Amino acid sequence: GESVGLHLPTLSVQEGDNSIINCAYSNSASDYFIWYKQESGKGPQFIIDIRSNMDKRQGQRVTVLLNKTVKHLSLQIAATQPGDSAVYFCAGVLSGSARQLTFGSGTQLTVLP
Amino acid sequence: DGGITQSPKYLFRKEGQNVTLSCEQNLNHDAMYWYRQDPGQGLRLIYYSQIVNDFQKGDIAEGYSVSREKKESFPLTVTSAQKNPTAFYLCATLSGTKTGTQYFGPGTRLTVL
Repeated sequence: GESVGLHLPTLSVQEGDNSIINCAYSNSASDYFIWYKQESGKGPQFIIDIRSNMDKRQGQRVTVLLNKTVKHLSLQIAATQPGDSAVYFCAGVLSGSARQLTFGSGTQLTVLP
Repeated sequence: DGGITQSPKYLFRKEGQNVTLSCEQNLNHDAMYWYRQDPGQGLRLIYYSQIVNDFQKGDIAEGYSVSREKKESFPLTVTSAQKNPTAFYLCATLSGTKTGTQYFGPGTRLTVL
């Protein structure tokens, strides 16, 4: 089955620096990936998504990169702000019915003043 | 969050009691999901429903039950058969069948005393 994991459980960055959060997946049948941000005690919020036929997608201050060769994706946050401090999850969606998500365990991003 | 509401936000239960968690949505989404989140871990799928009057077991359905009598509502019952029910429970809906982005409610934190 699918497994999605993250390389580092915690990441600390200085305010204003760029952040890079990495994620690996195991099932090449995943055709869609999503990054979520979860603040303490709240539900995950959608950040950005990417289809498997793309290798890069940009949003506001965020960029997701997908490398299907090594089954790896990353989330880049530009000019990290204190409000970016949260846990970030990647999730993979297997093609087919139900569109089930498989989540990694998350990376805690801490923005230092 | 958006059009997904979960209640209550905090719930306490004595051992041996069943308890029902509410999830309501006004997004007109067909599919709804229940996840469980334990500290420092990713989300695990309990049950999902793609359409009214139909639902499927997820990865950790034992000790849980659901119903889907209305499109807007997908309540989760945590039964006394669930051996370790203390967790954060998240409800989600699916925005479309071709992508896979799920949108989450604010969550219910269940504590068994």
